[in-house]
Amino acid sequence: KQEVTQIPAALSVPEGENLVLNCSFTDSAIYNLQWFRQDPGKGLTSLLLIQSSQREQTSGRLNASLDKSSGRSTLYIAASQPGDSATYLCAVRPQTGANNLFFGTGTRLTVIP
Amino acid sequence: GAVVSQHPSRVICKSGTSVKIECRSLDFQATTMFWYRQFPKQSLMLMATSNEGSKATYEQGVEKDKFLINHASLTLSTLTVTSAHPEDSSFYICSARDRQGIPEAFFGQGTRLTVV
Repeated sequence: KQEVTQIPAALSVPEGENLVLNCSFTDSAIYNLQWFRQDPGKGLTSLLLIQSSQREQTSGRLNASLDKSSGRSTLYIAASQPGDSATYLCAVRPQTGANNLFFGTGTRLTVIP
Repeated sequence: GAVVSQHPSRVICKSGTSVKIECRSLDFQATTMFWYRQFPKQSLMLMATSNEGSKATYEQGVEKDKFLINHASLTLSTLTVTSAHPEDSSFYICSARDRQGIPEAFFGQGTRLTVV
């Protein structure tokens, strides 16, 4: 069964810093990997989706990379802002099966003004 | 992007009563919807997969008679928590996948259920 782990569990940085969030998964047979943002008590906002054939995706200050063979993905946030404070979740969709997502444990990010 | 609407966003109910949560895809048709549950400080765990016009598939450990799922149309799936107990208090969130095969998963806003 696919297991997804995120490190660190929590991260606190001063405003303006660049930071990296890590995600690892045990089964490399994935269809895609998606990064989400979750604000407290709220739903999920999709940030970036990387297909299994892709190496990275970029959107604004966000860059996500994927190394499928080693079971790793990173989310790079440039020039962090207080508004980036949230929990970031990575999720993988298996190549086969019902197409549900397997979620990581999340990284709770706090950007200090 | 596609919009998934989930209602209610927050509900408080008495122990022993039933609660219905709706998940609608507003601008696309979804043959498959997924229901997840998230306990405090834990990640989202899949409860069941809802398929339009057929019975839902439940994950191991999820009681199908307690969590009733109905996916009667291509735009609506409902989750009913029957005879709710305080341990059912959680954050429930649905996800819908476009029948046209768009790879991205779209999520509702979630429902915070508190059973008192």
